[in-house]
Amino acid sequence: DQQVKQNSPSLSVQEGRISILNCDYTNSMFDYFLWYKKYPAEGPTFLISISSIKDKNEDGRFTVFLNKSAKHLSLHIVPSQPGDSAVYFCAASASSGGSNYKLTFGKGTLLTVNP
Amino acid sequence: GAVVSQHPSWVICKSGTSVKIECRSLDFQATTMFWYRQFPKQSLMLMATSNEGSKATYEQGVEKDKFLINHASLTLSTLTVTSAHPEDSSFYICSTRDRGTDTQYFGPGTRLTVL
Repeated sequence: DQQVKQNSPSLSVQEGRISILNCDYTNSMFDYFLWYKKYPAEGPTFLISISSIKDKNEDGRFTVFLNKSAKHLSLHIVPSQPGDSAVYFCAASASSGGSNYKLTFGKGTLLTVNP
Repeated sequence: GAVVSQHPSWVICKSGTSVKIECRSLDFQATTMFWYRQFPKQSLMLMATSNEGSKATYEQGVEKDKFLINHASLTLSTLTVTSAHPEDSSFYICSTRDRGTDTQYFGPGTRLTVL
């Protein structure tokens, strides 16, 4: 049972345009959500996070939106740059229920930004 | 974000040997570290949660006698793959949790190849 789903395995956008990466989750105990960027053979790099008490968090070109009722979050990158090309992972954690803050990851979306 | 190092970055070994991977939190004391494994084109899968001064908590399906975890200090956790076999070949990544934000920061990963 996949609790965090990234249904688009890949996304291609033009440089300067907006990239929108989507993520859905099923576990209502999740209350903290994160986006990571990953290059091959490297560890994930933290990009941005959002707590369930918020519906939006912005950091420079990156904005994460959370829709709790739909159990959906998205990452917006604007403007997109060729250096943004990587695999983006959505992750979620629950602060209660003995989960010990472990992260559950989606399968990732490969973003390609074309010059 | 936090700086996490891993050593070695890659290792090739013969079947039946044991391999130790180190994970160090360089800029803060980490009472909790996590060990993940990633197979090609798949998501990161949590293997175990490493707690300083106590036994690690393993995820379902992960053999604790095969993947030995030691978290002897607040800045170092080690993962030992005992009697490694070719099916253990994977990318192993550790992370530390920033208790202030609940964000996990990842090391660069270790590529293990068992011949």
